[in-house]
Amino acid sequence: ETGVTQTPRHLVMGMTNKKSLKCEQHLGHNAMYWYKQSAKKPLELMFVYSLEERVENNSVPSRFSPECPNSSHLFLHLHTLQPEDSALYLCASSQVLQGREKLFFGSGTQLSVL
Amino acid sequence: AQTVTQSQPEMSVQEAETVTLSCTYDTSESDYYLFWYKQPPSRQMILVIRQEAYKQQNATENRFSVNFQKAAKSFSLKISDSQLGDAAMYFCAYITQGGSEKLVFGKGTKLTVNP
Repeated sequence: ETGVTQTPRHLVMGMTNKKSLKCEQHLGHNAMYWYKQSAKKPLELMFVYSLEERVENNSVPSRFSPECPNSSHLFLHLHTLQPEDSALYLCASSQVLQGREKLFFGSGTQLSVL
Repeated sequence: AQTVTQSQPEMSVQEAETVTLSCTYDTSESDYYLFWYKQPPSRQMILVIRQEAYKQQNATENRFSVNFQKAAKSFSLKISDSQLGDAAMYFCAYITQGGSEKLVFGKGTKLTVNP
């Protein structure tokens, strides 16, 4: 347990559904991240929130919408996804300016889009 | 563009023996950090070891050590006395110092430990 909790662990959704992924960190960090992990590809950074402001949006399609209401919580809202969006979505946190390079990851949400 | 290359998609080792996982990276920066992360079947990415580029001494964490060759842009991970619990995907990663919060990962190496 690294102090980063993601729910749900598994999610199956149709292309017309709307769902949300949730991430919560209990480490007192002030930066949070969404990564996408697809088979046989490197992890792809999607979004970064530092001090609750979005500082990175890595050319992610608008069908993915992040939300960071406070420094402990991060959401990824999903709508009208495509089958190629099926992947493991990992959340991570770190402490900006103090060991920010040390990321702590959650166990991910395995998403299947039918 | 910053890239991280892991040339071994899969590796296997006998329990109690030593295995080395390869990683090369491409960057024009002089200050950066390198990491090895482990992802067991539980899917959680766990930091195994970290190396600051300005340090010449290779990092060591118990049975895990690195061979950092800055000029060659090489960062290999050596696992000594391999244990069954070491079986996992291993990812090499890189981040610049003072830049954005962008950790760049390789594609990973799947390590199997045979009893």
